[in-house]
Amino acid sequence: AQTVTQSQPEMSVQEAETVTLSCTYDTSESDYYLFWYKQPPSRQMILVIRQEAYKQQNATENRFSVNFQKAAKSFSLKISDSQLGDAAMYFCAYRRLNAGNNRKLIWGLGTSLAVNP
Amino acid sequence: GAVVSQHPSWVICKSGTSVKIECRSLDFQATTMFWYRQFPKQSLMLMATSNEGSKATYEQGVEKDKFLINHASLTLSTLTVTSAHPEDSSFYICSAAPYRYTFGSGTRLTVV
Repeated sequence: AQTVTQSQPEMSVQEAETVTLSCTYDTSESDYYLFWYKQPPSRQMILVIRQEAYKQQNATENRFSVNFQKAAKSFSLKISDSQLGDAAMYFCAYRRLNAGNNRKLIWGLGTSLAVNP
Repeated sequence: GAVVSQHPSWVICKSGTSVKIECRSLDFQATTMFWYRQFPKQSLMLMATSNEGSKATYEQGVEKDKFLINHASLTLSTLTVTSAHPEDSSFYICSAAPYRYTFGSGTRLTVV
């Protein structure tokens, strides 16, 4: 069974600094998707970034980028120029590529990120 | 685009009553809806997956007779918590596929 591990329950960063959140996963599949979701205090889940495993290029969305290491099964999220609005819970998630009707996401336990002014 | 409207945002009900939570996809067809439960400062726990026109698939340990899921159309899925008890108090979130698993805004249920 696939698993997703986020080893950092809590992290903090100074405003304008860079922080990296770690995520590792376990799977025997070769094709899959990986996601980072943000959940601010409003509890609305927001997609931050998505990576297809068959793409070697790391996904980037503005200040958010990932370091995808397929062989190591690692998928870390880097937030550059951190802003107060980045304070949230961040969840890493996995999904099989060819899932048919079973497209459920496998979730990590989350990392709570605090941004200090 | 790709908005899922979830109602109500919060609800308080008496023990023993039933509560219905609705999730509507406003601008796309949600072929699959996922229903989650989330406790404070914890991850999302998948309760069930429903495909339009089919019976929901429940995760192990989730009582299907207690948490009734209906996905009768491509734009509407409902979760009914039957005979609610205080231990059912939680935050419930729906998520629709395709479109990158668009999430509803969640429902905070308090059973008193």
